[in-house]
This record gives sequence, structure tokens and C-alpha cells, in this order.
Amino acid sequence: SAVISQKPSRDICQRGTSLTIQCQVDSQVTMMFWYRQQPGQSLTLIATANQGSEATYESGFVIDKFPISRPNLTFSTLTVSNMSPEDSSIYLCSVDTGSNEAFFGQGTRLTVV
Amino acid sequence: GQQVMQIPQYQHVQEGEDFTTYCNSSTTLSNIQWYKQRPGGHPVFLIQLVKSGEVKKQKRLTFQFGEAKKNSSLHITATQTTDVGTYFCAGPKAGGSYIPTFGRGTSLIVHP
Repeated sequence: SAVISQKPSRDICQRGTSLTIQCQVDSQVTMMFWYRQQPGQSLTLIATANQGSEATYESGFVIDKFPISRPNLTFSTLTVSNMSPEDSSIYLCSVDTGSNEAFFGQGTRLTVV
Repeated sequence: GQQVMQIPQYQHVQEGEDFTTYCNSSTTLSNIQWYKQRPGGHPVFLIQLVKSGEVKKQKRLTFQFGEAKKNSSLHITATQTTDVGTYFCAGPKAGGSYIPTFGRGTSLIVHP
């Protein structure tokens, strides 16, 4: 299993600003993932955060808008850049410890005004 | 990419009634996972099914994987208010990856 600490848990941000979300895992993991979940919707994969290399982004998501860092095997950040109200959502980090079972952080509820 | 379709989107039941959610894929899945997300919470892993025709039980929850490995179901017997939440199935992302791709989820509302 894995315990994931994600912060902030929520934030209200002005449009045009950026927010960096942090995800800390209590053990070393190879893969970390970032998802977006809009209210009442499913989880959409934004990108896979790779340690030592650039993140791999899914269709519809770009590095300029969602830069990701992965400085070591226990930590990752996702930045939501130049925010607009359409970016209001819940952002979740997730890890796989090797058992194909995904563990999630508590999520960051972002509101852009 | 890989898509799993899940129905129904919502289900209202009286406490004590049974509940079932269904997940379907157009392609064969190497495995399927189920997660539960309580209101305001994050998804929590419930189970993974790998074998054709597999059936697994967790107390009042029964999980099935179809013979063709293209569909799955989660059945809850005699629902309780603690069962409230959204249940997601997840198949692996296309291309041989193990990264879960989530269905749209079924929100279960249990009326006492």
C-alpha cells in the first residue's frame, strides 16, 4: 500500500494565475499519475510523471498548461498555469506500487474565479 | 484510447435493496479494477479481476468478469447507507499499459 499526502486540499484562485499542487508518497514508486475530475464526472488522466525524464501527457493536455516535476521517487508537483474558470476541478495524484492497484491522494479542489 | 462504458450513471435504492453496476468494453481487457469514491473523497481500490469468468466476493459485494473479458459487474446485496458513493470500473489504458482508464462511474444513492 501507499500513503499519499496531497496539498493544498482546496484553493480559490484568480484567473490568469498559477497553482502548484504537491504530492508526497511514503514510499518510492516508479510511476506517479495526475488526474482531473470535474464535478460528478469520471477521472481523466492528465499525464504520467516519470522520474528523471519529462512527463508523458495525454491527448488534450500540454506541458505549457500543466507542467509537472518529478525530482525523486517520492514526490511530484503539477502546476495549473494561466488558470481560467474552465480549470475549476478536482486534481488527484495517484501511484501504482507495482500491484496494479492505484492509490490516490486526497485531491485538490480548485476553484478559479 | 481504451474506453470502458459504465451504466447506469445513477441508481437510487431503498436501504436493503440490491444494486448492480455494469461495465463494458469493445475490446478484450487484460484485467478490470473497481474503485469506490465516497462523496467528497478520493477513489479507493476495491478489487482487480484478471481471469475469464472470474467471480470474487467481498462481504455483500460480488464482482464478476465476463467470459470474453469484455464486461464486468459489481453487485451489492442488501444495500446499506454506508454503500453510498460512486463506483468506478477501470480498464488498462490501450497499448499494453497498466495505467487505469476509468469508466464514468455509477453513483449509488441509498434511501434509509
